[in-house]
Amino acid sequence: GIQVEQSPPDLILQEGANSTLRCNFSDSVNNLQWFHQNPWGQLINLFYIPSGTKQNGRLSATTVATERYSLLYISSSQTTDSGVYFCAVERRTGFQKLVFGTGTRLLVSP
Amino acid sequence: SAVISQKPSRDICQRGTSLTIQCQVDSQVTMMFWYRQQPGQSLTLIATANQGSEATYESGFVIDKFPISRPNLTFSTLTVSNMSPEDSSIYLCSVVAGLSYEQYFGPGTRLTVT
Repeated sequence: GIQVEQSPPDLILQEGANSTLRCNFSDSVNNLQWFHQNPWGQLINLFYIPSGTKQNGRLSATTVATERYSLLYISSSQTTDSGVYFCAVERRTGFQKLVFGTGTRLLVSP
Repeated sequence: SAVISQKPSRDICQRGTSLTIQCQVDSQVTMMFWYRQQPGQSLTLIATANQGSEATYESGFVIDKFPISRPNLTFSTLTVSNMSPEDSSIYLCSVVAGLSYEQYFGPGTRLTVT
């Protein structure tokens, strides 16, 4: 099946720093979504981004489908950005079923 | 978007027993899914909950272990049967809502099996 790898696995930042998270996938996909899982376990949908670039406040994401990767940018990080970031892809035959990546655990310290 | 609730939020169960988890959505949705997140791991899809027909299970998951019901377009249940400590996980339901294909998740049910 499709493989979805994220890097780095762990990231520690000082408040105010910027970061880039990467998601690589091994096959063509219908769509890609980024999620943030907060320390209480709730998953929040950040972006639905099968291709191109989107921005939402301090967050932006870019997906280059032809090269099978996506990037999530976090600028001016805040302690509330801490948690685990997952990318998830829908396979070409997926019927909206998501395959989740390995995750990046982010800790933002004050 | 959609507002999703799950019951219970957490439970501690004895080995060999069963637990039924409920998922309620505030609007009618076509697609509803159940995922498992083992401790420190990513999420894995268990099954698609189909309204009016049997659920569609992913490889490695079977109906006898994880029976699913979906009586209408706003509600589903997942039962974890004959539990063992390896079933200790967070179980999450998700839906695809509206005209986009964005997927939204419930708050999860944190299950510990002793």
